[in-house]
Amino acid sequence: DAGVTQSPTHLIKTRGQQVTLRCSPISGHKSVSWYQQVLGQGPQFIFQYYEKEERGRGNFPDRFSARQFPNYSSELNVNALLLGDSALYLCASSPGQAGAIRMSQETQYFGPGTRLLVL
Amino acid sequence: AQSVAQPEDQVNVAEGNPLTVKCTYSVSGNPYLFWYVQYPNRGLQFLLKYITGDNLVKGSYGFEAEFNKSQTSFHLKKPSALVSDSALYFCAVSNTGKLIFGQGTTLQVKP
Repeated sequence: DAGVTQSPTHLIKTRGQQVTLRCSPISGHKSVSWYQQVLGQGPQFIFQYYEKEERGRGNFPDRFSARQFPNYSSELNVNALLLGDSALYLCASSPGQAGAIRMSQETQYFGPGTRLLVL
Repeated sequence: AQSVAQPEDQVNVAEGNPLTVKCTYSVSGNPYLFWYVQYPNRGLQFLLKYITGDNLVKGSYGFEAEFNKSQTSFHLKKPSALVSDSALYFCAVSNTGKLIFGQGTTLQVKP
């Protein structure tokens, strides 16, 4: 079975531009989460979507937005890019279950990431 | 607030020796704990998780982790390290599906 896929693998943008990152979850998974990993740090949670609804949002500015489509794929959009947005953006999928406790117990499977460089 | 700490930036071990990568956690309620490994320029690979039950959790590639509630720790272990185990290891706690990661520990296994 195919794992989580992300596109593009690499991206170079300039300050002020906008970027869209894409993620396809494992077949049958209904939940998608996005994380930002800055060099030398652990991943930071950005968003989680389940059944096309936002289930959680991390401490990121409104320049970051996301959505999930009927086929459970997802897009992460970042507007007005800053140099500090340079990072590896990771998408993770999980089966998705209702209820906070069951969601907490699920394993999230990560894609290879999109490396964004903002110049 | 929920958090995890990985007190060692780097762990060095000789091939064939046992390895331990340390993790401590702070949570309110039941802890749901995970270990992931990241190879250079790659995403995170799931190794194992603790949800409930037996304190010794077995995972992929011969790794295991010991959950200790009194010490609020979840250390990753392997009886015999391989050079190919050299990578960046992350401990994480799950809060309503949001993973909160530690800073990571680089494991260096030397031949």
